[in-house]
Amino acid sequence: AQKITQTQPGMFVQEKEAVTLDCTYDTSDPSYGLFWYKQPSSGEMIFLIYQGSYDQQNATEGRYSLNFQKARKSANLVISASQLGDSAMYFCAMRAQGAQKLVFGQGTRLTINP
Amino acid sequence: DSGVTQTPKHLITATGQRVTLRCSPRSGDLSVYWYQQSLDQGLQFLIQYYNGEERAKGNILERFSAQQFPDLHSELNLSSLELGDSALYFCASSVEGAQYFGPGTRLTVL
Repeated sequence: AQKITQTQPGMFVQEKEAVTLDCTYDTSDPSYGLFWYKQPSSGEMIFLIYQGSYDQQNATEGRYSLNFQKARKSANLVISASQLGDSAMYFCAMRAQGAQKLVFGQGTRLTINP
Repeated sequence: DSGVTQTPKHLITATGQRVTLRCSPRSGDLSVYWYQQSLDQGLQFLIQYYNGEERAKGNILERFSAQQFPDLHSELNLSSLELGDSALYFCASSVEGAQYFGPGTRLTVL
């Protein structure tokens, strides 16, 4: 079985600072994918970034990067130069190779202060 | 805009009733996934369809059922509704890799 743990229920960051959202995972599958989604107050789920377990380099998408440490089973999301519009819930998720469903963590509520 | 559409956006109904949620996947995506998001359970996978066939099942109640039609749109049917079924229901679609979510249907059972 797969499990995602997000230990930070809430985070408060000053605008323009970088922020790291923590995610640890547990799986016995050798091949898996890790995902981050953003859920603003409007409710939609927005895909941000993906990391495959065999990818040699950390994934990056614009201001988002994924700090993947396989031995520690962590997949932290780093947002550089935070903006007010980054305020939202952030969910880490994983999917094992061959599985169909995403397993989500409980989320971290990020608030960016001006 | 993810390209996944869901209707209706909001639904308010009474206990014991039946509702149907509709989803149209992104153009070209064959897989449709349904998820439920509630305050106590978080985001839970319900069921997946691939090109009209059920592919995977998660924590879906027997009172709930789904189907995917030849044009690839999908419907989630919720019957004998209970207060605890109040939640945000998401549909997602993918070809492979990331799943792209629709805007969700917020169901309120009174």
